[in-house]
Amino acid sequence: DIQMTQSPSSLSASVGDRVTITCRASQSISNYLNWYQQTPGKAPNLLIYAASTLQSGVPSRFSGGGSGTDFTLTINSLHPEDVATYYCQQSYSPYTFGQGTKLEI
Amino acid sequence: QVQLQESGPGLVKPSETLSLTCTVSRGSINSHYWGWVRQPAGKGLEWIGYMHYGGNTNYSPSLKSRQTISIDTSRTQFYLSLSSVTAADTAVYYCARGDYRSGSFFLDYWGQGTLVTVAS
Repeated sequence: DIQMTQSPSSLSASVGDRVTITCRASQSISNYLNWYQQTPGKAPNLLIYAASTLQSGVPSRFSGGGSGTDFTLTINSLHPEDVATYYCQQSYSPYTFGQGTKLEI
Repeated sequence: QVQLQESGPGLVKPSETLSLTCTVSRGSINSHYWGWVRQPAGKGLEWIGYMHYGGNTNYSPSLKSRQTISIDTSRTQFYLSLSSVTAADTAVYYCARGDYRSGSFFLDYWGQGTLVTVAS
């Protein structure tokens, strides 16, 4: 199976900061990489699909990049409501999630 | 927009079969992919599998021998069956709608999740 490793596992930032989360695949997955945001007690919410395409309705301060094995999720100008755990998910096969990155303010 | 709602027993005995239903509303089940993800308390997300309305399936290799996903288009429902459960199957189970774009498969609409505990 393809292993997905996110870093860092947790981070603390301030309102207005630019935050970057990294996801690394154990083998090339082209651009088959998605990002989700999960707030406590809620279902995950799709942010980015195909590595860099912003899902409809997601604020433009979120952006994704990368291809092959290395991917990033960037939040420009952090808002208080961005406190959440973020997961990457590869769809190369079989589908797997990263272990999550907990973002605090 | 599409809404999904999980239902089923909250408690299942070890060695028995876990059965969950996901009811789809405000949208057609005769398109897209319909899948399941689970999350043990305090842990990350685990892919279970999906079924396309046309019958194609994609299952997690680690659960493939124990799971079945099926769809009833007339009821706009799809189902998860997981056999021979153990305490390790205790988790919040989410149903979700899937789609492919630019070659990537993602889950764009999710249910609220339902907690299933495996205990005697």
